[in-house]
Amino acid sequence: DTEVTQTPKHLVMGMTNKKSLKCEQHMGHRAMYWYKQKAKKPPELMFVYSYEKLSINESVPSRFSPECPNSSLLNLHLHALQPEDSALYLCASSRRQGDTEAFFGQGTRLTVV
Amino acid sequence: ELKVEQNPLFLSMQEGKNYTIYCNYSTTSDRLYWYRQDPGKSLESLFVLLSNGAVKQEGRLMASLDTKARLSTLHITAAVHDLSATYFCAVDTPAGGTSYGKLTFGQGTILTVHP
Repeated sequence: DTEVTQTPKHLVMGMTNKKSLKCEQHMGHRAMYWYKQKAKKPPELMFVYSYEKLSINESVPSRFSPECPNSSLLNLHLHALQPEDSALYLCASSRRQGDTEAFFGQGTRLTVV
Repeated sequence: ELKVEQNPLFLSMQEGKNYTIYCNYSTTSDRLYWYRQDPGKSLESLFVLLSNGAVKQEGRLMASLDTKARLSTLHITAAVHDLSATYFCAVDTPAGGTSYGKLTFGQGTILTVHP
């Protein structure tokens, strides 16, 4: 199983809503990543978790709150988002942080209305 | 701050032709990746280049890395329609002097191959 599974695939939320994105892998990887990709732009790294601990936070606003409850699961909690946060959110995992082989999920397409 | 610049940003090719996409980056790194992305889809890893002079080939695509010039190229040979996609290069740099894992992407090259 070399899959990174993200749910939901699509999400529409209001600016006052609270929602969560989920990312799961069962490859035994100990590094997991969140990227944000706006339309027609490159992905931008948001967070990196290594061994369930936050390793990198790229100065992401606090309305995005990551959580890594166990080695297989990575969540991104969303609260009070703005329309400009609408984007494709990609999760990735690798065996260790910085490993050259990373696997990307299919992404969650988020629309904030 | 690391800058990664690709050119061209848009490439319209005829089937059967050859072309090269360039990726320049502004800081020392010996880890460079090429990805493909189809519209609305995730990233597909194409190549990982880990040393100066590294060259990798897969089908009609060949990638190379010159760490001294801080330049990578993605060469397309005899393009076919199926290669139409957006291609990104990405440079991996150590974060805070520790391990790697901080990818910075170029702007992407939108490739369209016409019959």
